[in-house]
Amino acid sequence: DTAVSQTPKYLVTQMGNDKSIKCEQNLGHDTMYWYKQDSKKFLKIMFSYNNKELIINETVPNRFSPKSPDKAHLNLHINSLELGDSAVYFCASSQGASGGRYFGPGTRLTVT
Amino acid sequence: AQSVTQLGSHVSVSEGALVLLRCNYSSSVPPYLFWYVQYPNQGLQLLLKYTSAATLVKGINGFEAEFKKSETSFHLTKPSAHMSDAAEYFCAVSRDRGSTLGRLYFGRGTQLTVWP
Repeated sequence: DTAVSQTPKYLVTQMGNDKSIKCEQNLGHDTMYWYKQDSKKFLKIMFSYNNKELIINETVPNRFSPKSPDKAHLNLHINSLELGDSAVYFCASSQGASGGRYFGPGTRLTVT
Repeated sequence: AQSVTQLGSHVSVSEGALVLLRCNYSSSVPPYLFWYVQYPNQGLQLLLKYTSAATLVKGINGFEAEFKKSETSFHLTKPSAHMSDAAEYFCAVSRDRGSTLGRLYFGRGTQLTVWP
């Protein structure tokens, strides 16, 4: 069984469009995250949710809006996509903030 | 401020040779430390983590890391490299110990190449 799953795996879209990425974890963890990995493979935290409550919002443009309907799901909606949004987006989960993060397979977003 | 430095963006070893990937951190408080591996087109997989128990931490796939406070280091080692170890390795440090924040700061990664 997949521990952390994301859909879609690939997303190609044009500038100005709105898109969503979905994430689900079946590990029973209470904390979920979105990370962005750029073309140089640098990973940066975007958001963190603990028990559906937003904990971290790391200076991400407000075009990015996370939503956590329950502890097992954390979705990412992006409005008015820009070329610079092209990256791989990873969802992750952990039990508590000190737990090791379990990552999903990633969503490769390409904005043309 | 928290930072992680991985020395060497690329490391090449022969199959069967020792693997040593270096990680140094800066932290004003005892940190939690992690090593992750990323295979091509995949997500990150947790190799091991240090949370202030034993300073020598054993992980999966034969990897281990030693926490050295005096050197602020957490280097990753494996006695004998295997072709399947070729991947990108990330060191990460978490501050906010004991809080719900738990921001994880990643190093820039080290690409490990294993030659036959």
